[in-house]
Amino acid sequence: EIVLTQSPGTLSLSPGERATLSCRASQSVSSSYLAWYQQKPGQAPRLLMYGASSRATGIPDRFSGSGSGTDFTLTISRLEPEDFAVYYCQQYGSSPYTFGQGTKLEIK
Amino acid sequence: QVQLVQSGAEVKKPGASVKVSCKASGYTFTNYYLHWMRQAPGQGLEWMGIINPSGGGTSYAQKFQGRVTVTRDTSTSTVYMELSSLRSEDTAVYYCAREGGGGIAFDIWGQGTMVTVSS
Repeated sequence: EIVLTQSPGTLSLSPGERATLSCRASQSVSSSYLAWYQQKPGQAPRLLMYGASSRATGIPDRFSGSGSGTDFTLTISRLEPEDFAVYYCQQYGSSPYTFGQGTKLEIK
Repeated sequence: QVQLVQSGAEVKKPGASVKVSCKASGYTFTNYYLHWMRQAPGQGLEWMGIINPSGGGTSYAQKFQGRVTVTRDTSTSTVYMELSSLRSEDTAVYYCAREGGGGIAFDIWGQGTMVTVSS
């Protein structure tokens, strides 16, 4: 099983700032099948990025993803008020399709 | 529009079983795999299993082997997840999600179903 470790656990930033979230895998993620999701309280997760660097439909271009192998990053270039939420990475290249423990992005 | 609609909240006693449904609409049901996840209160996401709606083939996380069964009804475009021998630790929101295909991850999610296990 591939274990995903996200850092930091909590990130405190202000609107307009840049956010950098990290996801490290215990072994290489096949074909860069690494996704990022955003989850707000009381809501289902929403797909942001897939294939490590492709934006899902309707996701603004302030969101970008990068990385390969075992190290991946989600960057939000300029934080908007609606971006404060919990973010999860997920590998979907090999079963079981594991998730990271999440990074909470909170308003400073 | 493309959507997954899940059944309503459930309250069960320890040792009982629960069956949650996930009805797909707006797309060809048999063309996309469907997954089940759960999220305990205040916790992260946990993948439980997958079904191929076309042939009905399934695969489950080892943690749930023997306790979870995922089935589908192609006539109603509905997938079901049944979890047996419930214990308090199974209290969680259960989600179904569509795998988008072509390397796209879980692009459509159901609204979630709260299952509470309490005596």
